[in-house]
Amino acid sequence: DQQVKQNSPSLSVQEGRISILNCDYTNSMFDYFLWYKKYPAEGPTFLISISSIKDKNEDGRFTVFLNKSAKHLSLHIVPSQPGDSAVYFCAASPYYGGSQGNLIFGKGTKLSVKP
Amino acid sequence: ETGVTQSPTHLIKTRGQQVTLRCSSQSGHNTVSWYQQALGQGPQFIFQYYREEENGRGNFPPRFSGLQFPNYSSELNVNALELDDSALYLCASSLLGRVNSPLHFGNGTRLTVT
Repeated sequence: DQQVKQNSPSLSVQEGRISILNCDYTNSMFDYFLWYKKYPAEGPTFLISISSIKDKNEDGRFTVFLNKSAKHLSLHIVPSQPGDSAVYFCAASPYYGGSQGNLIFGKGTKLSVKP
Repeated sequence: ETGVTQSPTHLIKTRGQQVTLRCSSQSGHNTVSWYQQALGQGPQFIFQYYREEENGRGNFPPRFSGLQFPNYSSELNVNALELDDSALYLCASSLLGRVNSPLHFGNGTRLTVT
């Protein structure tokens, strides 16, 4: 049974608009959440994270929102750029900080940003 | 700062054979984790090594084994290869215990089992 779900396999947005990627989880023991971006032929690259005690974290164009009661998080990219086109993975950990190796990943959402 | 490097980039093996994949951690990191990413799936945790010992394992059989060396480099060994072992194998390193030290991944080894 999938503990981390990304229900949209793909998303297409226009350059300059907002991209919203969604992620749901089932395990209430998860304490830390991360987003990774993956280009073809490269490994996943860390983007942004959030701990379970917060509901929002921002880093430049990227903002992650966490709704613990709904077991839902989302990644907002504003404004979207063509270079953001990649597969985005949501990941969760029962340990704070994300340095423990046993992250649980979703299946990913492929974002396409059209010029 | 040197990133995570993996070798080889691609590998083709026959069912029943054994394979060894190699990984060099990012400098300053003390843990190594291995993940398997099948086509269309997210990475799935195999195991993590810290201080040269296994420090957590996912739902993988014992024919998946690993090593971590004193210089924090690592190997993933898979015995008795099966067709379903065909996947991208990702190595990641981190600094265990440090706040905000997320996993840094290498570019992976693409293993094909025929």
